Amino acid sequence: KNEVEQSPQNLTAQEGEFITINCSYSVGISALHWLQQHPGGGIVSLFMLSSGKKKHGRLIATINIQEKHSSLHITASHPRDSAVYICAVTLPPNQFYFGTGTSLTVIP
Amino acid sequence: DSGVTQTPKHLITATGQRVTLRCSPRSGDLSVYWYQQSLDQGLQFLIQYYNGEERAKGNILERFSAQQFPDLHSELNLSSLELGDSALYFCASSVWGGPQETQYFGPGTRLLVL
Repeated sequence: KNEVEQSPQNLTAQEGEFITINCSYSVGISALHWLQQHPGGGIVSLFMLSSGKKKHGRLIATINIQEKHSSLHITASHPRDSAVYICAVTLPPNQFYFGTGTSLTVIP
Repeated sequence: DSGVTQTPKHLITATGQRVTLRCSPRSGDLSVYWYQQSLDQGLQFLIQYYNGEERAKGNILERFSAQQFPDLHSELNLSSLELGDSALYFCASSVWGGPQETQYFGPGTRLLVL
């Protein structure tokens, strides 16, 4: 049983499209993180959410605590957004669980 | 560049051997995390240290051990290596080690066990 489920597993979009990646979790969490992993392997933390919504540039992340669901949106997608996006949750006191990732390819 | 450094970048070794992976956190960060990323299991949390003390333990095998030194760098020791230990090992750091903190990831060490 995986505490974190992501969908879709793979996503191909045309440049400029609006993209949504979903994450569902099954237990109470302290926080939810969205991570980006580029083809070279490096991981960057995009957002930490405990409630509501955050925006950074063309990226928007939302979380609904009651529904145990989070979404990552990319507006006006660009080929440089091509990466694997990983949802991670922190369970009290300090346990971390990761989704299997969504591989995004943005075609020019 | 996250400010977290890991050495070595690549490591090739044989089954049964022992290796040590090293991580230096960002300046000012007191907490270090270790993660394993393999093709079949994805990313898994191994262990967390805060200011030299173990704070949380995840799916870390008994053959693996870690420590954080007074200068805050950390080492992950993997012993009696098996083929299945081949993976990317990431270190991350944060200031206080709290669950709602952003973690900064190192570039990873790619381990291949032959």
